Amino acid sequence: QKEVEQDPGPLSVPEGAIVSLNCTYSNSAFQYFMWYRQYSRKGPELLMYTYSSGNKEDGRFTAQVDKSSKYISLFIRDSQPSDSATYLCAMSETGTALIFGKGTTLSVSS
Amino acid sequence: EAGVAQSPRYKIIEKRQSVAFWCNPISGHATLYWYQQILGQGPKLLIQFQNNGVVDDSQLPKDRFSAERLKGVDSTLKIQPAKLEDSAVYLCASRPTGISYNEQFFGPGTRLTVL
Repeated sequence: QKEVEQDPGPLSVPEGAIVSLNCTYSNSAFQYFMWYRQYSRKGPELLMYTYSSGNKEDGRFTAQVDKSSKYISLFIRDSQPSDSATYLCAMSETGTALIFGKGTTLSVSS
Repeated sequence: EAGVAQSPRYKIIEKRQSVAFWCNPISGHATLYWYQQILGQGPKLLIQFQNNGVVDDSQLPKDRFSAERLKGVDSTLKIQPAKLEDSAVYLCASRPTGISYNEQFFGPGTRLTVL
C-alpha cells in the first residue's frame, strides 16, 4: 500500500462544475496537509494548507481534513478553464519532507 | 521576490552519460530539496539540505546520484551514469526558516530525457 493514494484519475468537467479531489493516507503521524497546483511544464505551487483536522476555505476552494478517516479533500466551486492543471495532495509530519500523491489532472472546458 | 531558479530547463542525453542540474533557491531559504517527478506521478524526495548539511538522503540512489550544496546557497544534482528510468523532471524547492507549516517553493524543473 502506498503511503498516499490520490483519486480520481484524469477529470474533465464543464465550466461552472463543482470538482471534488481526494487523497487517503496511511501514516497517522501526518500533521500538515497541503494541496499544490501544477500547470503544464511548471513547478508545483501551494494552493492551500491545513494543519491537523478541519476545514479551510479560500474563495472558490475548500480543503477538508478528516484525520480519523485518514482522508483529505479539495473542492473547487464554479470551476473555470484557468483551473485546468494537475492537483497534488501532499502531507508531512512535523519537520519531515512532503509526501505527494500522484496527482489529478483536471480539464475545465468552456 | 525572485523565485527558485533552475537550469538547464531541458536536457537530452544517452544512457550511461553524465548530467548535472543546478538550483538557486530563494534568497534566505535555508532548506533546499531535490525531487524527482516521473511522468504521471507526484514528486518524490531525493535529498534535503539544511544550509549545507544533508538532512535526508534516504531515497537518493547513491550509486549514481550525488548532490551538494556548497556555502549553503546554490545546489547541484548529478547523475552518473544515467539510466533510461532516470527520465523525469527534477524539481528543486526551498523553504523559508521560521514558519510552522511545510510550505515549499518550487522551481520550474529540469526535464531530463535519457535515450
